Amino acid sequence: GENVEQHPSTLSVQEGDSAVIKCTYSDSASNYFPWYKQELGKGPQLIIDIRSNVGEKKDQRIAVTLNKTAKHFSLHITETQPEDSAVYFCAASTSPGGGADGLTFGKGTHLIIQP
Amino acid sequence: SAVISQKPSRDICQRGTSLTIQCQVDSQVTMMFWYRQQPGQSLTLIATANQGSEATYESGFVIDKFPISRPNLTFSTLTVSNMSPEDSSIYLCSATQGAVTDTQYFGPGTRLTVL
Repeated sequence: GENVEQHPSTLSVQEGDSAVIKCTYSDSASNYFPWYKQELGKGPQLIIDIRSNVGEKKDQRIAVTLNKTAKHFSLHITETQPEDSAVYFCAASTSPGGGADGLTFGKGTHLIIQP
Repeated sequence: SAVISQKPSRDICQRGTSLTIQCQVDSQVTMMFWYRQQPGQSLTLIATANQGSEATYESGFVIDKFPISRPNLTFSTLTVSNMSPEDSSIYLCSATQGAVTDTQYFGPGTRLTVL
């Protein structure tokens, strides 16, 4: 089955700096890669996602890049703010579309924004 | 986007007993899933809740331990049976909408402690 590795486990950055979290996946059939933000005591919230036919996607301060050949994808957060502090999870799915398959998650990255 | 609620939000149970967790979505969804998140850990897919038929379980999870129902397109239940302290986790429901999107929305989770 699919295996998703995520690094680093903890990331501390100064407010205003950029943060990068990296994930690798094992199953070349994976074609959907979402990123979730989880705050303490809450369920995961989707922040951005990308399908395998796209190499990069951006939404304001957040961007995701995908390298299918190397089987890795990364989350980039620019101009970090205190409210970005949370645990971030990457995930992968081999869904043919319509969200038919469940997600395989990485172990998470605890992002700490230092004021 | 779908709004998902879960009941109860938390519970403390005695070993050997069972707990049923309810998941309600505010609109019709195509797929519903159940995940487990052990303390400080990542999310692991338990099963796909199929509407009107038996759930599809992932490796390591069995129907006798985690019976699941999905009587309609907006509601599902997960029962944790014959609980032991190792079942102490957060249980999360998720759902996808439509036939062309893979986006999974998550509920707030049910925090279960087994004594």
